[in-house]
Amino acid sequence: SAVISQKPSRDICQRGTSLTIQCQVDSQVTMMFWYRQQPGQSLTLIATANQGSEATYESGFVIDKFPISRPNLTFSTLTVSNMSPEDSSIYLCSVGTSEYEQYFGPGTRLTVT
Amino acid sequence: GQNIDQPTEMTATEGAIVQINCTYQTSGFNGLFWYQQHAGEAPTFLSYNVLDGLEEKGRFSSFLSRSKGYSYLLLKELQMKDSASYLCAVRDSNYQLIWGAGTKLIIKP
Repeated sequence: SAVISQKPSRDICQRGTSLTIQCQVDSQVTMMFWYRQQPGQSLTLIATANQGSEATYESGFVIDKFPISRPNLTFSTLTVSNMSPEDSSIYLCSVGTSEYEQYFGPGTRLTVT
Repeated sequence: GQNIDQPTEMTATEGAIVQINCTYQTSGFNGLFWYQQHAGEAPTFLSYNVLDGLEEKGRFSSFLSRSKGYSYLLLKELQMKDSASYLCAVRDSNYQLIWGAGTKLIIKP
């Protein structure tokens, strides 16, 4: 298993500002992902954070809006840039530790006013 | 397109058994996952099926039929703490996880 922490756990931000979310894992992992979950809905993959190279983004998500860093095998950040109320959501960091195991961090609840 | 269907909401009684179904249409198949998510919390891993058949883990069992594109999660001896959303996810040929919308399970005394 893996223990994942995220900072901040929640934040309220103003329109037009940016927020950086940190994800720390207690062990080295190859696969690290960032998801978004709107209230009452399922998970949407934003991107796969690759160590030592650019993140791989899913359709509908771009690097200018959601820049990601992955400086090592235990840490990653996701920035939500130039925020609008539509960005209000829960952002989840996730890691894959094996073929069949994927674990999630506690999430960051973001509200944009 | 890729699609995963599961019921939006189900209600069951404490102590009873409930079966949550999941049907999928994906480009390729490399495993099916079930996750539990309590309100306001992150999803937690429950089970993984890649071969046909039943996988049992305590009170929870998960079944897979690849030919039918079908899985179910069976919860026995329901407890109030089992009230949560249950998410079905399929890994496709590109090893991407495709998520269902989740089934909200309500347990009544």
